[in-house]
Amino acid sequence: QQQVKQSPQSLIVQKGGISIINCAYENTAFDYFPWYQQFPGKGPALLIAIRPDVSEKKEGRFTISFNKSAKQFSLHIMDSQPGDSATYFCAATYHSGGYQKVTFGTGTKLQVIP
Amino acid sequence: DVKVTQSSRYLVKRTGEKVFLECVQDMDHENMFWYRQDPGLGLRLIYFSYDVKMKEKGDIPEGYSVSREKKERFSLILESASTNQTSMYLCASRSQGVRRDTQYFGPGTRLTVL
Repeated sequence: QQQVKQSPQSLIVQKGGISIINCAYENTAFDYFPWYQQFPGKGPALLIAIRPDVSEKKEGRFTISFNKSAKQFSLHIMDSQPGDSATYFCAATYHSGGYQKVTFGTGTKLQVIP
Repeated sequence: DVKVTQSSRYLVKRTGEKVFLECVQDMDHENMFWYRQDPGLGLRLIYFSYDVKMKEKGDIPEGYSVSREKKERFSLILESASTNQTSMYLCASRSQGVRRDTQYFGPGTRLTVL
């Protein structure tokens, strides 16, 4: 019930195209949904995040769409660029015993080809 | 800027050796975490610490221990390294005081156990 299922495992997109990564969860106690971006040789870094009372959040070319009833959320990268090539992790957080706990998806390796 | 540093980027150890991985953060964060990252498995939590001298088991603690004697430093210990502990190890920290604050990751240590 603590899992977050992420798909696809890998994705190849042409430059200028739209990259879409999907995540699904079961635990209704999750209260925050961040996405992390990880470049080779680096640790993950927060890219964008959404609260469950919001259906969409946009920051530049990156958009999170959130469907609370379906327990699904997705990351859309518009006008994908070669510099977006990285591994993307969705995550979901909840609070237990006064502390935040985080569950990560398994990651999607995105390659944007020129 | 939050900075999380890890003592080594690459380590090669032999089976049975005791291995220490060090992590230091400079933002006075209460919470610190150790993850391992493996292809197709995403980020899996090994141990975490909510404050100095506190530690809690994560999802895969077997074969590992941790130490947090100072707020800024969180050490991961492999008591007797085995080949199945070959992996990328990521340290992270976050502020306890902000409910939806993100985790800040170090660059990772790639450990190879021969």
